[in-house]
Amino acid sequence: DAKTTQPNSMESNEEEPVHLPCNHSTISGTDYIHWYRQLPSQGPEYVIHGLTSNVNNRMASLAIAEDRKSSTLILHRATLRDAAVYYCILRAYSGAGSYQLTFGKGTKLSVIP
Amino acid sequence: NAGVTQTPKFRVLKTGQSMTLLCAQDMNHEYMYWYRQDPGMGLRLIHYSVGEGTTAKGEVPDGYNVSRLKKQNFLLGLESAAPSQTSVYFCASIAGQKSNQPQHFGDGTRLSIL
Repeated sequence: DAKTTQPNSMESNEEEPVHLPCNHSTISGTDYIHWYRQLPSQGPEYVIHGLTSNVNNRMASLAIAEDRKSSTLILHRATLRDAAVYYCILRAYSGAGSYQLTFGKGTKLSVIP
Repeated sequence: NAGVTQTPKFRVLKTGQSMTLLCAQDMNHEYMYWYRQDPGMGLRLIHYSVGEGTTAKGEVPDGYNVSRLKKQNFLLGLESAAPSQTSVYFCASIAGQKSNQPQHFGDGTRLSIL
C-alpha cells in the first residue's frame, strides 16, 4: 500500500498561514490525496482532497507537486480551532468494491495565541 | 441531521465479557467502516461493509465480529473482551465509491477492558 510521511508536529502563530507537508513517493496514478483532521476527543473530519490539480475550499488549499510525490495542505490564517492532528492519506482501491483510507500518525498542529 | 451516531460513548468491561457497539447513520450511505485508535496512533481499519448484508475484514479484524442487517446500522461485537482491545472505536460512512466523497465519522466510543 502507498504510504505517506508527515512531520510529527508543527507550531504556528495565530492568524499566520500554515503549510503542512506530506510526502507520498510511492503514490500510484489512481490514488487520491485526502486530508483529514482530528480535533481533541473527536472523530476525524474531512478537510480536502485532490488528484493532480491544486484545490481550494472554504477550509484550506491543497497544493500537489507536479510529479504527485508530495503535497502541502495550506491553512491561510490559523485559528485556535485549527489545533488538531492532520492526516495526509492516500485513498486507494482495496478490492471488493471499496476504497479505503489508511491513516498514519499525522502531524499535530499547535496554534500559539 | 445527526450524521453518524455511535452508542455508547463510554464503556468499561471486564476481561471475558462481551458487548456490541452500535453505529447508526441517517445519510443513506452504502459503505460503513469500523476503526480503532490507540493512544498516539492513527486509525486502523477493523471491518467494513459495502452494503446491507455484506461485511469484509480490514487490517485488524481478529477478536471482532460485525453485522450489517440494516443499511443504516453497522454493529461491532466483542465476544470475549481482552485488555488489548482497550481503545477508542470510530465508525464512519460514505455514500459510495463512484464519486470521490469524504468519509463521515462519529465521535467515537471509548472502551476500557480491565
